[in-house]
Amino acid sequence: RKEVEQDPGPFNVPEGATVAFNCTYSNSASQSFFWYRQDCRKEPKLLMSVYSSGNEDGRFTAQLNRASQYISLLIRDSKLSDSATYLCVVNEDQFYFGTGTSLTVIP
Amino acid sequence: EPEVTQTPSHQVTQMGQEVILRCVPISNHLYFYWYRQILGQKVEFLVSFYNNEISEKSEIFDDQFSVERPDGSNFTLKIRSTKLEDSAMYFCASNAGSSSYEQYFGPGTRLTVT
Repeated sequence: RKEVEQDPGPFNVPEGATVAFNCTYSNSASQSFFWYRQDCRKEPKLLMSVYSSGNEDGRFTAQLNRASQYISLLIRDSKLSDSATYLCVVNEDQFYFGTGTSLTVIP
Repeated sequence: EPEVTQTPSHQVTQMGQEVILRCVPISNHLYFYWYRQILGQKVEFLVSFYNNEISEKSEIFDDQFSVERPDGSNFTLKIRSTKLEDSAMYFCASNAGSSSYEQYFGPGTRLTVT
Protein backbone atom coordinates (compact mmCIF):
# COMPACT_ATOMS: atom_id res chain seq x y z
CA ARG A 1 0.00 0.00 0.00
CA LYS A 2 1.40 3.33 -1.04
CA GLU A 3 0.25 5.92 1.42
CA VAL A 4 1.28 8.86 -0.71
CA GLU A 5 1.65 8.83 -4.48
CA GLN A 6 3.17 11.44 -6.72
CA ASP A 7 4.02 11.61 -10.38
CA PRO A 8 7.83 11.45 -10.31
CA GLY A 9 8.14 13.57 -13.45
CA PRO A 10 10.51 14.97 -14.49
CA PHE A 11 8.80 18.22 -15.31
CA ASN A 12 10.94 20.45 -17.51
CA VAL A 13 9.43 23.89 -17.91
CA PRO A 14 10.69 27.23 -19.23
CA GLU A 15 11.21 30.17 -16.93
CA GLY A 16 7.99 32.03 -16.33
CA ALA A 17 5.79 28.99 -16.87
CA THR A 18 3.09 27.79 -14.51
CA VAL A 19 3.40 24.21 -13.33
CA ALA A 20 1.15 22.07 -11.17
CA PHE A 21 1.86 18.94 -9.16
CA ASN A 22 -0.65 16.55 -7.71
CA CYS A 23 -0.41 14.05 -4.92
CA THR A 24 -2.89 11.45 -3.71
CA TYR A 25 -3.07 9.83 -0.31
CA SER A 26 -4.75 6.62 0.73
CA ASN A 27 -5.93 7.21 4.29
CA SER A 28 -8.99 9.39 4.67
CA ALA A 29 -8.12 9.87 8.35
CA SER A 30 -4.95 11.77 7.45
CA GLN A 31 -4.70 14.92 9.48
CA SER A 32 -2.08 17.28 8.13
CA PHE A 33 -0.59 17.90 4.73
CA PHE A 34 2.55 19.61 3.56
CA TRP A 35 4.72 20.37 0.58
CA TYR A 36 8.47 20.23 1.02
CA ARG A 37 11.19 20.85 -1.49
CA GLN A 38 14.41 18.91 -1.59
CA ASP A 39 17.51 19.90 -3.47
CA CYS A 40 19.91 17.20 -4.58
CA ARG A 41 21.57 15.53 -1.57
CA LYS A 42 20.10 18.10 0.82
CA GLU A 43 17.49 17.96 3.53
CA PRO A 44 13.78 18.50 2.86
CA LYS A 45 12.76 22.09 3.47
CA LEU A 46 9.23 23.05 4.36
CA LEU A 47 7.57 24.93 1.54
CA MET A 48 4.08 25.23 2.93
CA SER A 49 1.38 23.52 4.93
CA VAL A 50 -1.81 22.70 3.04
CA TYR A 51 -5.17 23.71 4.44
CA SER A 52 -8.66 22.70 3.41
CA SER A 53 -9.46 26.25 2.43
CA GLY A 54 -6.40 26.42 0.20
CA ASN A 55 -3.50 28.68 0.85
CA GLU A 56 -1.14 30.87 -1.09
CA ASP A 57 2.39 32.05 -0.44
CA GLY A 58 3.67 34.34 -3.14
CA ARG A 59 3.94 32.34 -6.36
CA PHE A 60 2.93 29.11 -4.65
CA THR A 61 -0.64 27.91 -4.12
CA ALA A 62 -1.60 24.71 -2.34
CA GLN A 63 -4.99 23.03 -2.36
CA LEU A 64 -6.42 20.11 -0.46
CA ASN A 65 -9.39 18.06 -1.63
CA ARG A 66 -10.35 15.74 1.20
CA ALA A 67 -13.23 14.14 -0.68
CA SER A 68 -10.92 13.01 -3.48
CA GLN A 69 -7.90 12.64 -1.20
CA TYR A 70 -5.52 14.70 -3.23
CA ILE A 71 -3.27 17.66 -2.69
CA SER A 72 -1.97 20.02 -5.31
CA LEU A 73 0.79 22.57 -5.62
CA LEU A 74 0.77 25.31 -8.24
CA ILE A 75 3.89 27.31 -9.00
CA ARG A 76 3.41 30.46 -11.06
CA ASP A 77 6.10 32.40 -12.90
CA SER A 78 8.69 29.64 -12.44
CA LYS A 79 12.23 30.71 -11.57
CA LEU A 80 15.45 28.83 -12.18
CA SER A 81 15.78 28.54 -8.40
CA ASP A 82 12.54 26.55 -8.25
CA SER A 83 14.38 23.57 -9.76
CA ALA A 84 14.18 20.86 -7.09
CA THR A 85 12.23 17.80 -6.08
CA TYR A 86 8.86 18.58 -4.51
CA LEU A 87 7.74 16.21 -1.78
CA CYS A 88 4.16 15.68 -0.71
CA VAL A 89 3.91 14.78 2.99
CA VAL A 90 0.89 13.45 4.84
CA ASN A 91 0.54 13.01 8.59
CA GLU A 92 -1.50 10.17 10.04
CA ASP A 93 0.01 8.44 13.04
CA GLN A 94 3.34 9.13 11.43
CA PHE A 95 4.58 11.20 8.52
CA TYR A 96 4.49 9.66 5.07
CA PHE A 97 6.51 11.12 2.23
CA GLY A 98 5.83 10.75 -1.44
CA THR A 99 8.67 9.82 -3.74
CA GLY A 100 8.77 13.40 -4.98
CA THR A 101 8.23 15.17 -8.28
CA SER A 102 11.30 16.48 -10.04
CA LEU A 103 11.11 19.98 -11.52
CA THR A 104 13.70 21.58 -13.75
CA VAL A 105 13.15 25.16 -14.83
CA ILE A 106 14.96 25.90 -18.08
CA PRO A 107 16.30 29.35 -19.03
CA GLU B 1 17.11 31.80 12.39
CA PRO B 2 17.19 28.71 14.63
CA GLU B 3 18.00 25.47 12.87
CA VAL B 4 18.42 21.79 13.50
CA THR B 5 22.03 20.65 13.45
CA GLN B 6 23.44 17.17 12.97
CA THR B 7 26.82 15.58 13.46
CA PRO B 8 28.76 14.09 11.86
CA SER B 9 27.94 15.09 8.30
CA HIS B 10 29.41 11.82 7.03
CA GLN B 11 30.09 8.62 8.95
CA VAL B 12 31.84 5.61 7.49
CA THR B 13 31.68 2.40 9.47
CA GLN B 14 32.33 -1.27 8.99
CA MET B 15 29.55 -3.80 8.92
CA GLY B 16 28.72 -5.02 12.40
CA GLN B 17 29.84 -1.87 14.15
CA GLU B 18 27.66 0.45 16.19
CA VAL B 19 27.15 4.10 15.26
CA ILE B 20 25.60 7.01 17.07
CA LEU B 21 24.18 9.87 15.06
CA ARG B 22 23.68 13.13 16.84
CA CYS B 23 21.16 15.91 16.45
CA VAL B 24 20.48 19.18 18.21
CA PRO B 25 16.84 20.12 17.58
CA ILE B 26 15.56 23.68 17.62
CA SER B 27 15.65 24.73 21.25
CA ASN B 28 11.98 25.34 22.03
CA HIS B 29 10.71 22.39 20.00
CA LEU B 30 9.00 19.50 21.73
CA TYR B 31 8.77 16.74 19.12
CA PHE B 32 11.77 15.07 17.56
CA TYR B 33 12.06 12.68 14.65
CA TRP B 34 14.48 10.52 12.78
CA TYR B 35 14.10 9.71 9.10
CA ARG B 36 16.26 7.90 6.63
CA GLN B 37 16.59 8.26 2.88
CA ILE B 38 18.34 5.58 0.90
CA LEU B 39 19.98 7.07 -2.18
CA GLY B 40 17.41 7.59 -4.92
CA GLN B 41 14.48 6.60 -2.72
CA LYS B 42 11.89 8.42 -0.68
CA VAL B 43 12.25 9.76 2.83
CA GLU B 44 11.13 7.13 5.34
CA PHE B 45 9.92 7.78 8.87
CA LEU B 46 11.80 5.93 11.59
CA VAL B 47 10.66 7.26 14.94
CA SER B 48 9.11 10.19 16.77
CA PHE B 49 9.98 11.20 20.31
CA TYR B 50 8.07 13.35 22.75
CA ASN B 51 8.31 13.93 26.47
CA ASN B 52 11.33 11.65 26.75
CA GLU B 53 9.75 8.66 25.15
CA ILE B 54 9.02 7.18 21.76
CA SER B 55 5.57 8.24 20.55
CA GLU B 56 5.54 6.42 17.20
CA LYS B 57 7.88 4.14 15.33
CA SER B 58 7.82 2.50 11.93
CA GLU B 59 8.42 -1.09 10.96
CA ILE B 60 11.96 -0.13 10.03
CA PHE B 61 12.72 0.89 13.62
CA ASP B 62 13.40 -2.54 15.05
CA ASP B 63 15.64 -3.66 17.90
CA GLN B 64 18.68 -2.60 15.94
CA PHE B 65 17.76 1.03 16.54
CA SER B 66 17.37 3.12 19.65
CA VAL B 67 16.96 6.80 20.42
CA GLU B 68 17.89 8.86 23.40
CA ARG B 69 17.76 12.40 24.63
CA PRO B 70 20.71 12.29 27.01
CA ASP B 71 20.50 15.95 28.00
CA GLY B 72 18.40 19.01 27.31
CA SER B 73 19.74 19.59 23.83
CA ASN B 74 20.96 16.43 22.10
CA PHE B 75 18.84 13.76 20.44
CA THR B 76 20.67 10.65 19.28
CA LEU B 77 20.02 7.67 17.05
CA LYS B 78 22.01 4.55 17.78
CA ILE B 79 22.29 1.83 15.17
CA ARG B 80 23.73 -1.43 16.46
CA SER B 81 25.41 -4.08 14.36
CA THR B 82 25.21 -2.05 11.16
CA LYS B 83 24.43 -3.76 7.86
CA LEU B 84 25.27 -2.72 4.32
CA GLU B 85 21.63 -1.81 3.74
CA ASP B 86 21.76 0.72 6.58
CA SER B 87 23.76 2.96 4.26
CA ALA B 88 21.59 6.02 3.79
CA MET B 89 21.11 9.65 4.67
CA TYR B 90 19.70 10.03 8.16
CA PHE B 91 17.73 13.19 8.87
CA CYS B 92 16.70 14.53 12.22
CA ALA B 93 13.70 16.84 12.42
CA SER B 94 11.84 18.73 15.10
CA ASN B 95 8.63 20.64 15.48
CA ALA B 96 7.22 22.97 18.06
CA GLY B 97 4.25 20.78 18.92
CA SER B 98 0.97 22.23 20.16
CA SER B 99 -1.13 22.65 17.01
CA SER B 100 1.80 22.77 14.61
CA TYR B 101 3.03 19.72 12.77
CA GLU B 102 5.48 21.64 10.63
CA GLN B 103 8.79 19.89 10.83
CA TYR B 104 12.21 21.39 10.31
CA PHE B 105 14.96 19.12 9.14
CA GLY B 106 18.65 19.04 9.89
CA PRO B 107 21.20 18.74 7.08
CA GLY B 108 21.51 14.99 7.58
CA THR B 109 24.25 12.48 8.30
CA ARG B 110 25.39 10.35 5.42
CA LEU B 111 26.06 6.87 6.79
CA THR B 112 28.17 4.54 4.69
CA VAL B 113 28.51 0.95 5.85
CA THR B 114 31.33 -0.96 4.21
